[in-house]
Amino acid sequence: DQQVKQNSPSLSVQEGRISILNCDYTNSMFDYFLWYKKYPAEGPTFLISISSIKDKNEDGRFTVFLNKSAKHLSLHIVPSQPGDSAVYFCAARFGNEKLTFGTGTRLTIIP
Amino acid sequence: NAGVMQNPRHLVRRRGQEARLRCSPVKGHSHVYWYRQLPEEGLKFMVYLQKENIIDESGMPKERFSAEFPKEGPSILRIQQVVRGDSAAYFCASSPLLGAETEAFFGQGTRLTVV
Repeated sequence: DQQVKQNSPSLSVQEGRISILNCDYTNSMFDYFLWYKKYPAEGPTFLISISSIKDKNEDGRFTVFLNKSAKHLSLHIVPSQPGDSAVYFCAARFGNEKLTFGTGTRLTIIP
Repeated sequence: NAGVMQNPRHLVRRRGQEARLRCSPVKGHSHVYWYRQLPEEGLKFMVYLQKENIIDESGMPKERFSAEFPKEGPSILRIQQVVRGDSAAYFCASSPLLGAETEAFFGQGTRLTVV
């Protein structure tokens, strides 16, 4: 039972344009959401997070949007850069439960 | 590099053998999490350990899998009598605080292949 879903396994975006990565979840109890970035042969690294009491959180070129009614969150990267090419995982948690990860989206930035 | 170190990076085992995966946390971190990523799936929590103590093993398969984090040395994830379905990437992460999974740093992972 995949409670956190990333339905696009891959995404290609032109350098300089906006990258939008999507994530849907089924558990309405989730109250904290995170995005991780993973380069090949490396472990995931934390990118940005959002609490369920907010609908937007911004950090430089990265913005995460949360739509609780739709159980949907998205990560916007603008402008996209070649170094953004990686696999992006969303993850969710409620209370002190362990993180539930999505399956990842491979983002490729085309120079 | 003072980050989380996992070894080996790649491990090949025949069915029925034992696999030992090691994780050295960030210096000063006393909490370790293990995750497994099966092909086409997201990371799945397996076990959470503090030095000399298992805090939460709710994600561990009931048989063949065990984990430890001794007072000295790395954390070890042990898989006995491996089967093809154990082939996966195994990641560990460490944090300095109790329950701070979201502040944990990940290692590079060990890719286990069972042949």
